[in-house]
Amino acid sequence: AQSVTQLGSHVSVSEGALVLLRCNYSSSVPPYLFWYVQYPNQGLQLLLKYTSAATLVKGINGFEAEFKKSETSFHLTKPSAHMSDAAEYFCAVSEDTGNQFYFGTGTSLTVIP
Amino acid sequence: ETGVTQTPRHLVMGMTNKKSLKCEQHLGHNAMYWYKQSAKKPLELMFVYSLEERVENNSVPSRFSPECPNSSHLFLHLHTLQPEDSALYLCASSHRQGGYEQYFGPGTRLTVT
Repeated sequence: AQSVTQLGSHVSVSEGALVLLRCNYSSSVPPYLFWYVQYPNQGLQLLLKYTSAATLVKGINGFEAEFKKSETSFHLTKPSAHMSDAAEYFCAVSEDTGNQFYFGTGTSLTVIP
Repeated sequence: ETGVTQTPRHLVMGMTNKKSLKCEQHLGHNAMYWYKQSAKKPLELMFVYSLEERVENNSVPSRFSPECPNSSHLFLHLHTLQPEDSALYLCASSHRQGGYEQYFGPGTRLTVT
């Protein structure tokens, strides 16, 4: 079975600073990788996805993520944090076959004014 | 309506009540999912339906009973719940299983008293 590890359950950054949220996965086959954001009392919203095209993926709200096969990583970055970025972020992996998404445990991002 | 909708958004029920959660997707997708999101726990996949057939049931107690009458609608019937069942219940849909991003509804916040 797949597994997804998100290092750091809580991350705090200053407004305007770089955001880096880490995600590592275990997979013996090329995976599909996703980042989702969840605001309080809402569902998960897709930020971006990797599906074996370009290794650097751009998403909504200025976020991007880079797929590094050698490191089995898919870290999420944003050059300059905004207050509105404060939320819970989830990394997920899926295979071409099978029914499941495998979600990480989430990282709560706090943006300090 | 667009995307994935869920009703009700909030539900308080006693342990002897019977209630149902409703999910509707307006995306033309073929797969639908129920997830449970509890505080401090990873997202738990409960049920998967593909083309209206249940293809996954992750050892969910029988007090949760899903129903998928057509590819656009998904229900979760609840009876004799326990307080530990209090959580955010999320519905999602995708084009098909495997590798396709899932789109989530806003969730139903369930409190069992």
